[in-house]
Order: sequence, then C-alpha cells, then structure tokens
Amino acid sequence: DAKTTQPTSMDCAEGRAANLPCNHSTISGNEYVYWYRQIHSQGPQYIIHGLKNNETNEMASLIITEDRKSSTLILPHATLRDTAVYYCIVRVRGGAQKLVFGQGTRLTINP
Amino acid sequence: NAGVTQTPKFQVLKTGQSMTLQCAQDMNHEYMSWYRQDPGMGLRLIHYSVGAGITDQGEVPNGYNVSRSTTEDFPLRLLSAAPSQTSVYFCASSYSGALNTIYFGEGSWLTVV
Repeated sequence: DAKTTQPTSMDCAEGRAANLPCNHSTISGNEYVYWYRQIHSQGPQYIIHGLKNNETNEMASLIITEDRKSSTLILPHATLRDTAVYYCIVRVRGGAQKLVFGQGTRLTINP
Repeated sequence: NAGVTQTPKFQVLKTGQSMTLQCAQDMNHEYMSWYRQDPGMGLRLIHYSVGAGITDQGEVPNGYNVSRSTTEDFPLRLLSAAPSQTSVYFCASSYSGALNTIYFGEGSWLTVV
C-alpha cells in the first residue's frame, strides 16, 4: 500500500469547516483513499473513502485531485466532538485487512 | 448487534506470563485482524484472518499467536509476555470483497511489568 503524508497537527474553530490534507503521490491506479479517525482512547472509526471522484456522506466530504496524488477531507461544520486524530490511508480495494496507519493529523476543534 | 467486542479492557501481566485477548464479532464478517498501537503512533497489524481456519502474519507478528476456529472469534495469544508488548490492542473485522469498511473494537490496554 502507498505511503501517505499528513500534517502532524491542525486547529480549527468550532462551526467552521476543517480541511485536512493528505499527500499520496505514489498511489496506484487500483488503490483507494480511506479516512479513519480515532477519538481519544477509542478504536478507529471509518469516515469515508474514494477512488477518483469526490465523495460525500453524512460525516464528511472527500476531494481527490485529478492526478490522485493528494486529497482533502472536509468536515463542513466542525464540532468539539470532531477533535481526534485523523488517518489518511491508501489501500487496494477488496484487499485483506492490511491498513497501514501513519501518525495521522491531530485535529483540535477550539470553542 | 454488539459489533466488535474485546475482552479484557485492561490487563497487567508479569514478564513471562501468557494470556489471551478475546475478540468476537456478531456481524458475520469474514475478515478479522489484530493491531497494536504504541503511544503517539499509528496502528500496526499483528495478524489477520480471511476466514475460519485461515490466518496470516501482519507487520509485527513475533510473540503472538492467533487461531480462527469460528467466524465469530479471533483470539490473540501472548506466549511469554515482554515489556515491549505493553500497548493498546485493537481487534477489527469486515466483510470480504469490495467496499469493505473495517470496524474496530474499543481496545484492550495491556501493561507488562
């Protein structure tokens, strides 16, 4: 699975959009971009995933650049409960459970 | 539907002791796996299973054994605990095939003294 690069930490004001970048310049054509988050001391939680089109669900939006070398996770109206470590992961669709976690981005939502 | 259940949540072991971390899922998932997370780090894959009777090694398998006798259960055994195995352990499961979201348990905190 391709390696990803994320900023170590970010801050965002409550109610504003949180935009979390991820670089995955070595991504292969059959690899998806997945986002998980880990709220303190809990198990990682799935957020969203995509291949090449932008995706949106009830939690977030995922914007993938046309060359697929980077992506941005958008939390449209961040709340204090969104404070967590966010992991960007690339993996082959249908592959075995070989998620490769980096250190992620520690997002702090400030009141 | 309880999801992925791990027990115990907390455990203290002495060096050299053995123990088993239990993991059960009630979603009929084919895939199950174990990760460990050390302070300030991302999760690392220990062992995984693609179905009952089938297991394979992940990134950091040494010192751990697994078995998958049923679809529901995937226990992780520490054969002779070492301080380096002090960590938080997460069990995960998913369906096989496309769009397989992986669900994680709440974690088991293990301290080896």
